[in-house]
Amino acid sequence: QQPVQSPQAVILREGEDAVINCSSSKALYSVHWYRQKHGEAPVFLMILLKGGEQKGHDKISASFNEKKQQSSLYLTASQLSYSGTYFCGTEKLGSQGNLIFGKGTKLSVKP
Amino acid sequence: DSGVTQTPKHLITATGQRVTLRCSPRSGDLSVYWYQQSLDQGLQFLIQYYNGEERAKGNILERFSAQQFPDLHSELNLSSLELGDSALYFCASSVGVRPGETQYFGPGTRLLVL
Repeated sequence: QQPVQSPQAVILREGEDAVINCSSSKALYSVHWYRQKHGEAPVFLMILLKGGEQKGHDKISASFNEKKQQSSLYLTASQLSYSGTYFCGTEKLGSQGNLIFGKGTKLSVKP
Repeated sequence: DSGVTQTPKHLITATGQRVTLRCSPRSGDLSVYWYQQSLDQGLQFLIQYYNGEERAKGNILERFSAQQFPDLHSELNLSSLELGDSALYFCASSVGVRPGETQYFGPGTRLLVL
């Protein structure tokens, strides 16, 4: 039931782009994206609800493909501050409020 | 700062002991969630309370229990502690129980069982 995130890790240079994917085998109501820096709490980035909408703020955006039960997080023109581990949390239909998190994608942005 | 507070920040204890972790949700939030984060298991949902009532259960061991009080703060009780219980324990809160609500995480309590 745990969503599968890919890649497990990625290293970027400042200014480069990255895509992080999150796939589930279950029908989803929503996908939540969080970023966590080492030793700190996860910080909310955005939620995507079923309906296939795309959201974004600043240079981070995400999409949710309801047919494939897959969400993608897009980071463009990466900055050093983007470094951290990105988690997707999925909310299944009928299990609202119960977030199941993927294992995370570790993103390192180098100067 | 998410507005969610957790105490203590760090806790060191011995196997077999019992500890209590405390969480105060953001002002106005009625739902509280508890998560355990360890290196091998990742971020795991334990339990959710809404306005004092248990709402959903995840991978919570029978040795663990939680409650939410009338003032909406919550406590997670861990008993008969084992080495494997060493982890970061996060509390999160949201306004209610509608699907798709944002959960805001507290700073966590780092538990070390020796």
